[in-house]
Amino acid sequence: AQSVTQLDSQVPVFEEAPVELRCNYSSSVSVYLFWYVQYPNQGLQLLLKYLSGSTLVESINGFEAEFNKSQTSFHLRKPSVHISDTAEYFCAVSHSGGSNYKLTFGKGTLLTVNP
Amino acid sequence: GAGVSQSPRYKVAKRGQDVALRCDPISGHVSLFWYQQALGQGPEFLTYFQNEAQLDKSGLPSDRFFAERPEGSVSTLKIQRTQQEDSAVYLCASSLGLAGISEQFFGPGTRLTVL
Repeated sequence: AQSVTQLDSQVPVFEEAPVELRCNYSSSVSVYLFWYVQYPNQGLQLLLKYLSGSTLVESINGFEAEFNKSQTSFHLRKPSVHISDTAEYFCAVSHSGGSNYKLTFGKGTLLTVNP
Repeated sequence: GAGVSQSPRYKVAKRGQDVALRCDPISGHVSLFWYQQALGQGPEFLTYFQNEAQLDKSGLPSDRFFAERPEGSVSTLKIQRTQQEDSAVYLCASSLGLAGISEQFFGPGTRLTVL
């Protein structure tokens, strides 16, 4: 079985500050890794994903995450956040083999960006 | 184009009542998923359809939960004899491809409250 731990349930930051949202996973097999974002009153949206290749992946709005196999982590970072980044962020994992459609999510981290 | 839609958005049921939750996936999407999200938790996988075939129902919590997708498009999640522990947001997602690397697009969810 696989599991995902998001250590911080809430992260308050000021606008233009850097932020890191932590995600650790456990799995006995190779994995795919994802970050989803949920803006207020909206559905989950895929932010970025790691499937294979380069361990550093980026989104179109300035977020990046790095797959660290030795530390079983996939932390999400942004060097300078905006008010509009306020949302809940979910880390998710799936097996890279069979049943790879089945996402296992963490509990989420609420990012609040204050002016 | 339209995204994944779900109805109703909110449902209040008395304990013991049956409920039916509807999901309209993105047109042409082969795969359809249902997730359950309890308060303060991340989404948890319930079931997976590939076209009309239910390939995985391992996440359904009890035999009171039943899902169908008879024509390979719209799906209904039915909960019989609802209990208070069924209170949650039920999320539907669809994806174009068959494999887990195909992005899952989520609907806004149906918030079920069982009194």
